[in-house]
Amino acid sequence: GAGVSQSPRYKVAKRGQDVALRCDPISGHVSLFWYQQALGQGPEFLTYFQNEAQLDKSGLPSDRFFAERPEGSVSTLKIQRTQQEDSAVYLCASSSQGAASYEQYFGPGTRLTVT
Amino acid sequence: KQEVTQIPAALSVPEGENLVLNCSFTDSAIYNLQWFRQDPGKGLTSLLLIQSSQREQTSGRLNASLDKSSGRSTLYIAASQPGDSATYLCAVISNYQLIWGAGTKLIIKP
Repeated sequence: GAGVSQSPRYKVAKRGQDVALRCDPISGHVSLFWYQQALGQGPEFLTYFQNEAQLDKSGLPSDRFFAERPEGSVSTLKIQRTQQEDSAVYLCASSSQGAASYEQYFGPGTRLTVT
Repeated sequence: KQEVTQIPAALSVPEGENLVLNCSFTDSAIYNLQWFRQDPGKGLTSLLLIQSSQREQTSGRLNASLDKSSGRSTLYIAASQPGDSATYLCAVISNYQLIWGAGTKLIIKP
């Protein structure tokens, strides 16, 4: 595809439900990033993949959050037992190289609302 | 720990004016700095990327500068238009993570 895509665009979950958010990066991009953006704030880093390897998950807020990229392309961010504080926009980005200096391209995000 | 601050948090100007958005960061050891635009309900659009060895980048009516030693970047928008209304975010890459400011919400009044 031409850009990074994410699905679903909007998700409403009842507190305690599990959710799965999908990211399709730009074809061939090595690096994939997940960010969380609370209302009125800048995004915050969650986790980083280089191909299928998860090199950094230091930003995941709790062990309820889990991300995977098993074949080095599509990635899924899973949140178990959702809480109200998980409500945010979840952004996915990809980059053509593994080096830090390369530009990251963002998807439209998934807006998660936990009720 | 790297911290990024954007001032002002909001700005409203009449159409046609030139304006400057400010971004400051605490750790000068960065790989690059990116300016993004975010429209309500939409994703982030990259506007300009400045490598750490560069001092400025230009794209159309936009010019971004970088002064690593002072930990500052500015985004200059010339001849503003109502379509420029959006939230502008700056982000620095210190390792591979983007560290973000909270953004400046810009409103251009027709």
